[in-house]
Amino acid sequence: AQSVTQLDSHVSVSEGTPVLLRCNYSSSYSPSLFWYVQHPNKGLQLLLKYTSAATLVKGINGFEAEFKKSETSFHLTKPSAHMSDAAEYFCVVNLSGNTGKLIFGQGTTLQVKP
Amino acid sequence: DGGITQSPKYLFRKEGQNVTLSCEQNLNHDAMYWYRQDPGQGLRLIYYSQIVNDFQKGDIAEGYSVSREKKESFPLTVTSAQKNPTAFYLCASRPRDRGNNQPQHFGDGTRLSIL
Repeated sequence: AQSVTQLDSHVSVSEGTPVLLRCNYSSSYSPSLFWYVQHPNKGLQLLLKYTSAATLVKGINGFEAEFKKSETSFHLTKPSAHMSDAAEYFCVVNLSGNTGKLIFGQGTTLQVKP
Repeated sequence: DGGITQSPKYLFRKEGQNVTLSCEQNLNHDAMYWYRQDPGQGLRLIYYSQIVNDFQKGDIAEGYSVSREKKESFPLTVTSAQKNPTAFYLCASRPRDRGNNQPQHFGDGTRLSIL
């Protein structure tokens, strides 16, 4: 069965310092993985996706993630946090088949301090 | 611009009342999805539809109903049978993709509250 675990419910960084949001997944096959961001009272916006091409994936707003099969991880990073990065982040894995059904992590709240 | 429109943004329901949440997309996507989001939790799938006139139950379908009469529209009705309807509801869509690699695109949500 597929599952996804976000290891931190809350991460706090100072503006200009690196961001690391951790995600581990469980899947019996090679999954598609996504990171989404959600600002308050808004929908989810796609940051990046991994679909078995390059293991280092670059996304929008300077974010990137590395797929590590041996560690079953897909951590999200950014070299330098900006105040506008403060939001909720979701790591998501697809289910098998072509239904498009997704499994969402519980979310990580990123706080950026001035 | 193409996108997903959810309306209204805020909705209030009285006890025993059915309410319908609207979701319209102009992305020409085949599949559409409804999710429920509660504080501190990830999204949970209510219903999904991969093609017009067809839909399937998700993980928490009890107390909800949907229809898919047009490709662009996937309204969700929260019935009186849903005992805890207060939540943030998100609609999403994605193009047909046999490889299951296409991401879902989300609307801005409807926040439903009980009076």
